[in-house]
Amino acid sequence: DVKVTQSSRYLVKRTGEKVFLECVQDMDHENMFWYRQDPGLGLRLIYFSYDVKMKEKGDIPEGYSVSREKKERFSLILESASTNQTSMYLCASSPLVGGETQYFGPGTRLLVL
Amino acid sequence: SQQGEEDPQALSIQEGENATMNCSYKTSINNLQWYRQNSGRGLVHLILIRSNEREKHSGRLRVTLDTSKKSSSLLITASRAADTASYFCATDAWAAGNKLTFGGGTRVLVKP
Repeated sequence: DVKVTQSSRYLVKRTGEKVFLECVQDMDHENMFWYRQDPGLGLRLIYFSYDVKMKEKGDIPEGYSVSREKKERFSLILESASTNQTSMYLCASSPLVGGETQYFGPGTRLLVL
Repeated sequence: SQQGEEDPQALSIQEGENATMNCSYKTSINNLQWYRQNSGRGLVHLILIRSNEREKHSGRLRVTLDTSKKSSSLLITASRAADTASYFCATDAWAAGNKLTFGGGTRVLVKP
């Protein structure tokens, strides 16, 4: 079974802090994705990556950056956390771009105070 | 912006009944998928239907796709309490660079 893990289930940070969310997948997938999920808005794509050291902006990249130094690991960075970044963050991976199943991690619920 | 819009937003049924939810989308798609999310967890893939398919089955799940109406439906037959979850449709399309675009979801409550 594909396994996608995220470093924390719950996280509480203060405004202005730098926040790292880590995601690791064990299936040698090329593609990895970061979404945020807010009530009524569904999942919105923040960033994605098709390969090591490669990244592409999604629909809402402002206030975020990413890092993919190894194929299995994709990190989401909040450079200076703000209260409007309080959300559920979901990481996913897939073996091909689009049209194929994405495998999701359990999510990180981030609260920014 | 959301490509898929689910309807209804919430659904409450008794165990054993069927649950039907719909997804509408705006632009031509390559594929449409349905995912389930249990409360506070990640999403789990249920079924994928390609744009040249009209109906697909997987266990108690039946998915239809009408590309002329740009809509899909997910039917869960003989529902169980364990089916209580949120259900999301997701589409991919050439116009969106083949990324998945998710709808807002349908919350389903199956009462025992």
